[in-house]
Amino acid sequence: EIVMTQSPATLSVSPGERATLSCRASQSVSSNLAWYQQKPGQAPRLLIYGASTRATGIPARFSGSGSGTEFTLTISSLQSEDFAVYYCQQYNNWPPRGWTFGQGTKVEIK
Amino acid sequence: QVQLVQSGAEVKKPGASVKVSCKASGYTFTSYDINWVRQATGQGLEWMGWMNPNSGNTGYAQKFQGRVTMTRNTSISTAYMELSSLRSEDTAVYYCARVVFWSGSYGMDVWGQGTTVTVSS
Repeated sequence: EIVMTQSPATLSVSPGERATLSCRASQSVSSNLAWYQQKPGQAPRLLIYGASTRATGIPARFSGSGSGTEFTLTISSLQSEDFAVYYCQQYNNWPPRGWTFGQGTKVEIK
Repeated sequence: QVQLVQSGAEVKKPGASVKVSCKASGYTFTSYDINWVRQATGQGLEWMGWMNPNSGNTGYAQKFQGRVTMTRNTSISTAYMELSSLRSEDTAVYYCARVVFWSGSYGMDVWGQGTTVTVSS
């Protein structure tokens, strides 16, 4: 099973600042990585797929980069609605078997 | 609009089974695969498995092999996830999610509202 490790566990950021979240895979997943945002009491929302492509309706302040085993989600200027938990997820095979999520990074107000 | 609507909360005793439904609307049910993901309280997301509603083909996370069954009824555009031999550690919110495919990439773009399953004696 591919293990996804996110860091940091919690990120304290002031509104308007930049946030950089990391995700590492235990083996190469090429660009087969997605990012999700989850707010309390809500289902996750797809932000990024293919490591760097924004999903429909996702603001340009969200960007993804990386390939292989190292990935980054950047939020260029944090808005109040961006404080949430972010998960990376690999989908390195089709049909799906052993898709895995990272443990999440909580972005909180500093 | 495109949505997935799940069945209501369940309370089960250890050793019992639970079957959660996920009704699709606003799109062609058989054109998109369905994943199931669960989340224990205060914990992260855990991928459970996948189903192709057109063929009925499935794939399960190794952790759930032998305990989970994913099925569908195409006449009512509904997917089901049944988990058996429940234990307290299965207490969680269970989500269904639609899988979309773009140029070799995948994502879960529409999610159900979640179904809380509580396992308690």
